[in-house]
Amino acid sequence: GAVVSQHPSRVICKSGTSVKIECRSLDFQATTMFWYRQFPKQSLMLMATSNEGSKATYEQGVEKDKFLINHASLTLSTLTVTSAHPEDSSFYICSAQDRGHSPLHFGNGTRLTVT
Amino acid sequence: QKEVEQNSGPLSVPEGAIASLNCTYSDRGSQSFFWYRQYSGKSPELIMFIYSNGDKEDGRFTAQLNKASQYVSLLIRDSQPSDSATYLCAADAGKSTFGDGTTLTVKP
Repeated sequence: GAVVSQHPSRVICKSGTSVKIECRSLDFQATTMFWYRQFPKQSLMLMATSNEGSKATYEQGVEKDKFLINHASLTLSTLTVTSAHPEDSSFYICSAQDRGHSPLHFGNGTRLTVT
Repeated sequence: QKEVEQNSGPLSVPEGAIASLNCTYSDRGSQSFFWYRQYSGKSPELIMFIYSNGDKEDGRFTAQLNKASQYVSLLIRDSQPSDSATYLCAADAGKSTFGDGTTLTVKP
């Protein structure tokens, strides 16, 4: 149980275009979903926390207009990287939690390359 | 001071040995504690979680929690080369805060 599906697993896009990443909890309802970014050999960096039906809470330094998060239902959250640039190239990972203080269940991640 | 600190690695142990990974946290409001394993190029996966003081065992893994000392550890017995990965400690006081990770290498 507790499976989180993240798509796409890998995407290459041109500079200036937008990319949408989906995160779905397949067998549980996720009250909260989290989005992380990880550069090579660096630690996880929390970008934002989203709760179903409400606006995402962004961490300091993360541009909310660039990284649009929509948590439309208890099983789906999306991250859209708008007007992507090469410096946005990274490994983006979502996680989902069914209740407070419970373990996080991670998606497999999306490797974004912006050319 | 970071909210969650892990012992700096990398850590290298021979196959069959015990690997000991340590973590301290600063927020006394933390209620739950987790260990995740992350293989290179992959996303993290849950290994253990612990909520109460003491030890919790699951197969070759034992998590230990001491809330008075704000200390969490993970012991891996009979380490295998497949255990080679980065181990992330997390403390949850409302949301999970991760340490930077300790990279473990198990040498055959």
